[in-house]
Amino acid sequence: GESVGLHLPTLSVQEGDNSIINCAYSNSASDYFIWYKQESGKGPQFIIDIRSNMDKRQGQRVTVLLNKTVKHLSLQIAATQPGDSAVYFCAEIRSNDYKLSFGAGTTVTVRA
Amino acid sequence: NAGVTQTPKFRVLKTGQSMTLLCAQDMNHEYMYWYRQDPGMGLRLIHYSVGEGTTAKGEVPDGYNVSRLKKQNFLLGLESAAPSQTSVYFCASSYLERSYNEQFFGPGTRLTVL
Repeated sequence: GESVGLHLPTLSVQEGDNSIINCAYSNSASDYFIWYKQESGKGPQFIIDIRSNMDKRQGQRVTVLLNKTVKHLSLQIAATQPGDSAVYFCAEIRSNDYKLSFGAGTTVTVRA
Repeated sequence: NAGVTQTPKFRVLKTGQSMTLLCAQDMNHEYMYWYRQDPGMGLRLIHYSVGEGTTAKGEVPDGYNVSRLKKQNFLLGLESAAPSQTSVYFCASSYLERSYNEQFFGPGTRLTVL
């Protein structure tokens, strides 16, 4: 089975609310994680990353949290906007091969 | 800069036909990648290249071949297309192999094999 996955395939959020997208991974050897955003008809776009020696990292309106104890990763988007509507993927890099392994994705829809 | 471009954007093939997908980047990146994206499965690495003249297998290489004759181009070939190869194909490039925060993706090629 896949080693990286998202808890929910879809998420509907009211504009202005905060969004939380979850991801579980199973490979304890993973040492680097990335969140991507993919808008309809486009390729994935890097949002934010985090290394396994950190448990939190913040960017512009986004925060990634890493809980290595339960192998859980989350992406928080503050004050969700219509432009945040997209599919969000988490990805892991295993220290033994340095190749990206993607989860299935969560489709976020922002309601006006 | 155009970034990463892919041609064609769409293609329909019959089983057994062959075709080549072209990826081009104008950022002087050493590393290039081909992924396929299927519904509910995220992206999977097909082949990658660490420099001009070199290629390597990824997670799902069977049924595909690649070539990197020029640094800026990375070609993905299907010698005998099968319906299981119906997918959206993405090319990506990066300056360093592990600079995933700087891995740029193309817009994708939607391929249907009948």
